[in-house]
Amino acid sequence: RKEVEQDPGPFNVPEGATVAFNCTYSNSASQSFFWYRQDCRKEPKLLMSVYSSGNEDGRFTAQLNRASQYISLLIRDSKLSDSATYLCVVISNQAGTALIFGKGTTLSVSS
Amino acid sequence: EPEVTQTPSHQVTQMGQEVILRCVPISNHLYFYWYRQILGQKVEFLVSFYNNEISEKSEIFDDQFSVERPDGSNFTLKIRSTKLEDSAMYFCASSDGGVGYEQYFGPGTRLTVT
Repeated sequence: RKEVEQDPGPFNVPEGATVAFNCTYSNSASQSFFWYRQDCRKEPKLLMSVYSSGNEDGRFTAQLNRASQYISLLIRDSKLSDSATYLCVVISNQAGTALIFGKGTTLSVSS
Repeated sequence: EPEVTQTPSHQVTQMGQEVILRCVPISNHLYFYWYRQILGQKVEFLVSFYNNEISEKSEIFDDQFSVERPDGSNFTLKIRSTKLEDSAMYFCASSDGGVGYEQYFGPGTRLTVT
């Protein structure tokens, strides 16, 4: 079983749409959770950390369900500039800091 | 804004040759990492380095790989005898703390093994 699984998409949405991405992780001992963004042929960049209580940063909302081992990202009012691949990332080793990446979900926002 | 830099941006080498990928982490950071991404696949952790030693490594990081911090600014990844399957984008990252601290990624070195 893959450590971090995501729907690869692509998700094609018009500007202004709301889109949700989901992710599941296999290691119940995982301790830290993130969403990263990766533009084509570029490095990953942290979008937001994900907390059990849920957290919001502008148009972006992240949720964590530890019981279901499920993480989500909601993007409201999509912009053209949101077009990218969204990576679900987990630290699964309680003693370590290695980031374990999902393969990513591709979002394309069109006008 | 401080950033992680990597050189070269693209390296082409023949199978069996040794390559050294170079990184300059953000200056006050203490934790250093290498990740790789084969084209079309996910980003994979290779190794983490803290306090002048490897703190964690993946199954990918076998005896043909090594890391070094030769001075106060550079962090290098050496691949001793490259294979075709080593062709990938190699990202260096650094952070100023452990768990919970953001890892900042460099722009990557694209390694092509022919």
